[in-house]
Amino acid sequence: DTAVSQTPKYLVTQMGNDKSIKCEQNLGHDTMYWYKQDSKKFLKIMFSYNNKELIINETVPNRFSPKSPDKAHLNLHINSLELGDSAVYFCASSQGARLGNSPLHFGNGTRLTVT
Amino acid sequence: GENVEQHPSTLSVQEGDSAVIKCTYSDSASNYFPWYKQELGKRPQLIIDIRSNVGEKKDQRIAVTLNKTAKHFSLHITETQPEDSAVYFCAINQAGTALIFGKGTTLSVSS
Repeated sequence: DTAVSQTPKYLVTQMGNDKSIKCEQNLGHDTMYWYKQDSKKFLKIMFSYNNKELIINETVPNRFSPKSPDKAHLNLHINSLELGDSAVYFCASSQGARLGNSPLHFGNGTRLTVT
Repeated sequence: GENVEQHPSTLSVQEGDSAVIKCTYSDSASNYFPWYKQELGKRPQLIIDIRSNVGEKKDQRIAVTLNKTAKHFSLHITETQPEDSAVYFCAINQAGTALIFGKGTTLSVSS
């Protein structure tokens, strides 16, 4: 009964490959996010969706494409993976449509390693 | 400059001591200030939060204080225990964007 679940937990792949990470939340939240945590532990917002609609797209390469088939799911597809994409990617959700006004509930993270 | 600055980046205390982590921010419109704890290899989890209409909030050994005029807020942990060892992040909200996180404080509590 995990509130925010993401798969896979670990992803090891070679440069140039394409990979996807899936996220689902069963909290009934309207807003979902992708955050990237680099090797220095810095948490940076990448995307935010509210009820399937993209509302934040920070300065992220076009190789990253989020997709939200419904408000409970937010997937992340990455094309042409590069070494610098290695990081832990966290999915999160929050209640309500107003960004930044309520707590984030994080998934367990996907550790992506590009070799 | 940075939206939110967090200090110190590392903090080592003896079990039973208090620990204080401070964050300063620049946007006077920010009105929500959560703190997250991230244990090694795990996800960040909310431990306490405060809104701008309140100056202090306490939950057992954890407290957060907010000084809106000076634009800073602090996390206070009293009677620290080894299980408090983790990375702590402050965060703020800004118009039009999701929560912005500080760079984290690695707290080590030695017994």
